[in-house]
Amino acid sequence: NAGVTQTPKFQVLKTGQSMTLQCAQDMNHNSMYWYRQDPGMGLRLIYYSASEGTTDKGEVPNGYNVSRLNKREFSLRLESAAPSQTSVYFCASSEVAGTLAKNIQYFGAGTRLSVL
Amino acid sequence: ELKVEQNPLFLSMQEGKNYTIYCNYSTTSDRLYWYRQDPGKSLESLFVLLSNGAVKQEGRLMASLDTKARLSTLHITAAVHDLSATYFCAVDGGYGGSQGNLIFGKGTKLSVKP
Repeated sequence: NAGVTQTPKFQVLKTGQSMTLQCAQDMNHNSMYWYRQDPGMGLRLIYYSASEGTTDKGEVPNGYNVSRLNKREFSLRLESAAPSQTSVYFCASSEVAGTLAKNIQYFGAGTRLSVL
Repeated sequence: ELKVEQNPLFLSMQEGKNYTIYCNYSTTSDRLYWYRQDPGKSLESLFVLLSNGAVKQEGRLMASLDTKARLSTLHITAAVHDLSATYFCAVDGGYGGSQGNLIFGKGTKLSVKP
């Protein structure tokens, strides 16, 4: 039972390079999320997808783009990486947003990104 | 803007002692979550609190919710070393009008020493 799978686990980029972080879930969840975690800042929402075919900005979307490829996959792209994007990135998924359900978010193992 | 504040941010405890972590949030919310994160690992769901007065317990951890005070507590009873981790509370922030988007506190790093 894989849950939420993120690739890669580690990445080092030079300033200006681009890359895509991949995320897939096998729990048939409707909603998916991308967060970044910085020391002393908790987790901050970058983008989310409430359902297949929709994406919306979160708290810190600048410098990122996302694609909800299908129900299972939600990717995060850095078009021109900057040192300020050095962080740990977490993907999460939940059953259904906007209901009275518990809506627990399940997290992937994270991608540790360094931008030099 | 919804804000979630945890305190303390750092907590060093001795084994066997009791302590409480506090989570205050700034607007009304239907749901509050507690997560645990071990160093270098992902986040693991501990509790979901869905209504005023809700109390959930698992082992040495007990979480409660007071929606009128906009306060949740995570109480640790007779701490053991295995509880050393960072604990986050998160509130359903309704980001962009869509429920289900969580606003996280900064986390409480708990260290339990012999």
